[in-house]
Amino acid sequence: KNEVEQSPQNLTAQEGEFITINCSYSVGISALHWLQQHPGGGIVSLFMLSSGKKKHGRLIATINIQEKHSSLHITASHPRDSAVYICAVHTYSNSGYALNFGKGTSLLVTP
Amino acid sequence: EAQVTQNPRYLITVTGKKLTVTCSQNMNHEYMSWYRQDPGLGLRQIYYSMNVEVTDKGDVPEGYKVSRKEKRNFPLILESPSPNQTSLYFCASTPSGGGRGTQYFGPGTRLLVL
Repeated sequence: KNEVEQSPQNLTAQEGEFITINCSYSVGISALHWLQQHPGGGIVSLFMLSSGKKKHGRLIATINIQEKHSSLHITASHPRDSAVYICAVHTYSNSGYALNFGKGTSLLVTP
Repeated sequence: EAQVTQNPRYLITVTGKKLTVTCSQNMNHEYMSWYRQDPGLGLRQIYYSMNVEVTDKGDVPEGYKVSRKEKRNFPLILESPSPNQTSLYFCASTPSGGGRGTQYFGPGTRLLVL
């Protein structure tokens, strides 16, 4: 099983701050996902990465395959960014692609 | 509208009473999966299916069954629920059979087993 560690566990920021959430995993992967879960429970996929960097609006995700590490950055944070951010990795085995999750980073952005 | 639906959204039941949580997607996705989410443990994969009639265990399959008779549906069956199966359950689908694509999640089913 691929162990996925996220840091920090909890994060409080002021509106406008630059935010970084980190994710490390233990075994080589085929892809990594960043997910967002708002209070109330719904989960939305933000990015899927297998190399390099992706950007969507104020969100940037990077991955370093050699170091088994990914980061999610939020520029100019806003209270509506308050959510739990979850890293998940796809690992291939003989029985197919399994998905393992980090425990999430709870982000609160205050006005 | 492209979506993953789950029913019921909320369920209170008693130990031992068989139940089924349905999951359906209208995007013709090959890969579907079930997860449970518990405080402090995060999301964990229960079962997944790479295509019709192809299912496999995830990390926490004990006490659950699944079937994939049609591409769009992937029901989760609890034959004899126990209180430790009280959890928030999510179904998800993704276009590729390997499951590598963007994950589309259902709205979740909150289950309480007394």
